[in-house]
Amino acid sequence: EPEVTQTPSHQVTQMGQEVILRCVPISNHLYFYWYRQILGQKVEFLVSFYNNEISEKSEIFDDQFSVERPDGSNFTLKIRSTKLEDSAMYFCASSYTSGGGDIQYFGAGTRLSVL
Amino acid sequence: AQSVTQLGSHVSVSEGALVLLRCNYSSSVPPYLFWYVQYPNQGLQLLLKYTSAATLVKGINGFEAEFKKSETSFHLTKPSAHMSDAAEYFCAVSVLSSGGYNKLIFGAGTRLAVHP
Repeated sequence: EPEVTQTPSHQVTQMGQEVILRCVPISNHLYFYWYRQILGQKVEFLVSFYNNEISEKSEIFDDQFSVERPDGSNFTLKIRSTKLEDSAMYFCASSYTSGGGDIQYFGAGTRLSVL
Repeated sequence: AQSVTQLGSHVSVSEGALVLLRCNYSSSVPPYLFWYVQYPNQGLQLLLKYTSAATLVKGINGFEAEFKKSETSFHLTKPSAHMSDAAEYFCAVSVLSSGGYNKLIFGAGTRLAVHP
């Protein structure tokens, strides 16, 4: 069964460093998403991406965040200068369409630890 | 704004007992609702979804959920818990942006423990 793949599973970085979290969505999907879950809190929407541009972003997704689909298979989330509060589990998701009842398929997540 | 609330961050049941995980939603429009499960070290996996076709929705692994508009609820149940059901369960509502793009708003999650 097709699945969303995320690498690495755990990333440790120093505050102020740049990190890139990588995702390989399901191959025929057209819509891509990043969510995050700070320990003990809800899973929160960060950004959605379609047709090589951001379709929606949350207030969390400020200028230190960026997303890119550098080739036909990868979808990345970059955090330019990490802060302690960026420590969280980051989930990538993809869907074929983006209607109200459409299913988003999630990866296993990358746990980001900022020291 | 649309939101979901999951009552009970931790639920513990005996193997073979009924599982009931609660979810209440807030929505000004007919909602699309989902239950996802996360097993240890795995991603969020869809259990079932409600899209207004039927109020009782059957999902994978013997789970089902009933949409009750009058109670704004979408509780998840399973008649008989199995040890393998131990996981974290998330209720979510789909929200469409003004541009027509979908995002999910999640509840805080309920960790289900199943003991022998």
